[in-house]
Amino acid sequence: GQNIDQPTEMTATEGAIVQINCTYQTSGFNGLFWYQQHAGEAPTFLSYNVLDGLEEKGRFSSFLSRSKGYSYLLLKELQMKDSASYLCAGYILTGGGNKLTFGTGTQLKVEL
Amino acid sequence: EPEVTQTPSHQVTQMGQEVILRCVPISNHLYFYWYRQILGQKVEFLVSFYNNEISEKSEIFDDQFSVERPDGSNFTLKIRSTKLEDSAMYFCASSLDSSSGNTIYFGEGSWLTVV
Repeated sequence: GQNIDQPTEMTATEGAIVQINCTYQTSGFNGLFWYQQHAGEAPTFLSYNVLDGLEEKGRFSSFLSRSKGYSYLLLKELQMKDSASYLCAGYILTGGGNKLTFGTGTQLKVEL
Repeated sequence: EPEVTQTPSHQVTQMGQEVILRCVPISNHLYFYWYRQILGQKVEFLVSFYNNEISEKSEIFDDQFSVERPDGSNFTLKIRSTKLEDSAMYFCASSLDSSSGNTIYFGEGSWLTVV
């Protein structure tokens, strides 16, 4: 089966750094995506890791350890607009290609 | 920046009615997907489509669902006889191909409410 786990919610302060963890147990694992989703809106692509290590993109970084089944999303210099749900998604090889299997999302609240 | 577009943005339909949700994927993309998200729940995979046929479908995608690419640009999801539990946000997505490293881009979604 496919299992993607992440905390349900987190709170952080504007200007701070927050790390959102994700663990996965999946067959056919072919990489890990992070998406941001504001309420009632579409998931917006943030990052993708297929190899172990850290991928940095401005204020956002994502890390993957395939051997540990673990990833995290790091958000620096938090802004109020970063309040959103952050979705961890495994990119899973299937017989017909690939598909995303999502976690439940981590609702991040950024406070003053 | 190219984007996936979906219509309608909102639809209310009576139980038992047929609904068609429309999507225009990014123009050079070859893989198309439908996902859904019931309010307050996770995003769930429904179906993937490549080369004019379904390449993968989930348990949710039963006989009441179908997909079609009627022309070179549109990709549709049809729900034949809607049920109350079909109420959800339906997201269309597309990717250039299915190999590692190709981002899957999502449309803005179609809110479906079945009453």
